[in-house]
Amino acid sequence: KNQVEQSPQSLIILEGKNCTLQCNYTVSPFSNLRWYKQDTGRGPVSLTIMTFSENTKSNGRYTATLDADTKQSSLHITASQLSDSASYICVVSAPQGGKLIFGQGTELSVKP
Amino acid sequence: NAGVTQTPKFRVLKTGQSMTLLCAQDMNHEYMYWYRQDPGMGLRLIHYSVGEGTTAKGEVPDGYNVSRLKKQNFLLGLESAAPSQTSVYFCASSRVSGANTGELFFGEGSRLTVL
Repeated sequence: KNQVEQSPQSLIILEGKNCTLQCNYTVSPFSNLRWYKQDTGRGPVSLTIMTFSENTKSNGRYTATLDADTKQSSLHITASQLSDSASYICVVSAPQGGKLIFGQGTELSVKP
Repeated sequence: NAGVTQTPKFRVLKTGQSMTLLCAQDMNHEYMYWYRQDPGMGLRLIHYSVGEGTTAKGEVPDGYNVSRLKKQNFLLGLESAAPSQTSVYFCASSRVSGANTGELFFGEGSRLTVL
């Protein structure tokens, strides 16, 4: 069964610190993996997209990594800011059947 | 450029009542989707459309109907609301199939409570 599991479920860090969020998937084959940021009361917004051939992609203070062999991705946030407080969602595209499989999200809270 | 707009943003219904959620996008996207988001669960696809006049079932379609009479609009209807349909509903659109590129553009959500 195609699944996407994220860890931790929630995380609290102090402003200025770094953190790493994990995404493990069993989707096979897959075409790409996206990380979305969802602010409270808003819809998700795409941060990065990675294909199976990419290992690392950065978007400002956000860096996503992908290991297609172990089926793991991570999202690293550097020098966190209060505005980083949000839910981060990992989404894997399964072209077979034309599906998107969503993880349950990691709730990040950045405290001053 | 408004992107994806959902109305209403909040609604309280009694069991058995019906209602329609409206989604409008101004990006000329072919694909549109309705998802529901519940605590501790990933977004789940209710129905989707690959173009004007077409609709298809997602993974949790029971109790919902949809229509795409115009390319820019995608309506989600609840025929007889049940407490299990209490959720936050998100509309999304994409230029090409979400499964190919994965980039969906989401609305801000509609919070529905069924008493």
